[in-house]
Amino acid sequence: ELKVEQNPLFLSMQEGKNYTIYCNYSTTSDRLYWYRQDPGKSLESLFVLLSNGAVKQEGRLMASLDTKARLSTLHITAAVHDLSATYFCAVDAGGGADGLTFGKGTHLIIQP
Amino acid sequence: GAGVSQTPSNKVTEKGKYVELRCDPISGHTALYWYRQSLGQGPEFLIYFQGTGAADDSGLPNDRFFAVRPEGSVSTLKIQRTERGDSAVYLCASSLVRSGTQYFGPGTRLTVL
Repeated sequence: ELKVEQNPLFLSMQEGKNYTIYCNYSTTSDRLYWYRQDPGKSLESLFVLLSNGAVKQEGRLMASLDTKARLSTLHITAAVHDLSATYFCAVDAGGGADGLTFGKGTHLIIQP
Repeated sequence: GAGVSQTPSNKVTEKGKYVELRCDPISGHTALYWYRQSLGQGPEFLIYFQGTGAADDSGLPNDRFFAVRPEGSVSTLKIQRTERGDSAVYLCASSLVRSGTQYFGPGTRLTVL
């Protein structure tokens, strides 16, 4: 059974600081996704990572994938308040398993 | 363009009642997924449709849950004899193809009293 673990689950940080969210998964994966969820809202796709060593950046967010370590990171650079949200990683195990397996999410609060 | 839409946005029902939740995917998306999200958790996969057929229903918790997609577009998730433990946000997602990025709808918040 595929397990996806995120840490930390809760993070409070100040504007201007850098931080990294980690996502570990337990079995080989076809692809890995990062989503953002604002309170009471649905999930917004941020990144899809398809291969070992993949790195994608959008604004102050950068995601990377190490398939050998079964680890993805989401790095936040010079955080701003608007990035406050819950961030989920989700793994597509492929091989007949059709749904995404999500981590529990990282609840990020960025304080001015 | 229009995203995934879901109706109703909120549904309150009594224990033992039957409910239907509707999902309208992005036009042209062949793959459709249902997930359930409990408070403070990530979404959990329920069922996947490719076209009209349920290709994978391994996530449905029991036989009270059933979903259809008769014309390969709109899907309905049906829950019989609802229980308080069914209370959650039910999310629908669609993707262009099976391996594509899944785009999520706003969800239906189901409360079973």
